[in-house]
Amino acid sequence: AQTVTQSQPEMSVQEAETVTLSCTYDTSESDYYLFWYKQPPSRQMILVIRQEAYKQQNATENRFSVNFQKAAKSFSLKISDSQLGDAAMYFCAYRSATFTGANSKLTFGKGITLSVRP
Amino acid sequence: EAGVVQSPRYKIIEKKQPVAFWCNPISGHNTLYWYLQNLGQGPELLIRYENEEAVDDSQLPKDRFSAERLKGVDSTLKIQPAELGDSAVYLCASSLTPDTYEQYFGPGTRLTVT
Repeated sequence: AQTVTQSQPEMSVQEAETVTLSCTYDTSESDYYLFWYKQPPSRQMILVIRQEAYKQQNATENRFSVNFQKAAKSFSLKISDSQLGDAAMYFCAYRSATFTGANSKLTFGKGITLSVRP
Repeated sequence: EAGVVQSPRYKIIEKKQPVAFWCNPISGHNTLYWYLQNLGQGPELLIRYENEEAVDDSQLPKDRFSAERLKGVDSTLKIQPAELGDSAVYLCASSLTPDTYEQYFGPGTRLTVT
């Protein structure tokens, strides 16, 4: 079974600064997807960024980028130029590339609460 | 395009009472998911539907939980009877197909059992 670990329960960043959120995972599969989701107080989970395991290039979406280290099974999220609206819970998630049965589900970490100081 | 709709947003009930949650996925999305999110935790899958068929319900506590997705569109998740430990957020998500990597989430229902 796959597991996702987010060991930092909380982090804080100054507005306009850069922050990195850590995530590690464990799997025996070679092909999978990794995601970062944002959950603001409204509770609606929003996809921030995804990474396909077969791609060596790190994914980037505007101010958000990842550092994907497949051998180390590490997947961190970097938020540049932090904004007040970035304050939320952030979840790292794993999904097998085999979309059958239990493999199609997302496995989430416990999440990290990010606060942004004005 | 309307997102995933869930109701109610909040529900407070006494233990042993029944409760039901409703989800309307994004139009055209064939796959629907119900997740349970305990306080301070990430969501965990309860059940997944492809059209009206439940294809993965291994994590659903079937002694008290039931779900249905009639006509392959809306879905209802029911708990009967509710226990104190059922207090949590119940999230619904949908995706275009089972192969689609992106799942779109609703705002969830926060259940408090007293």
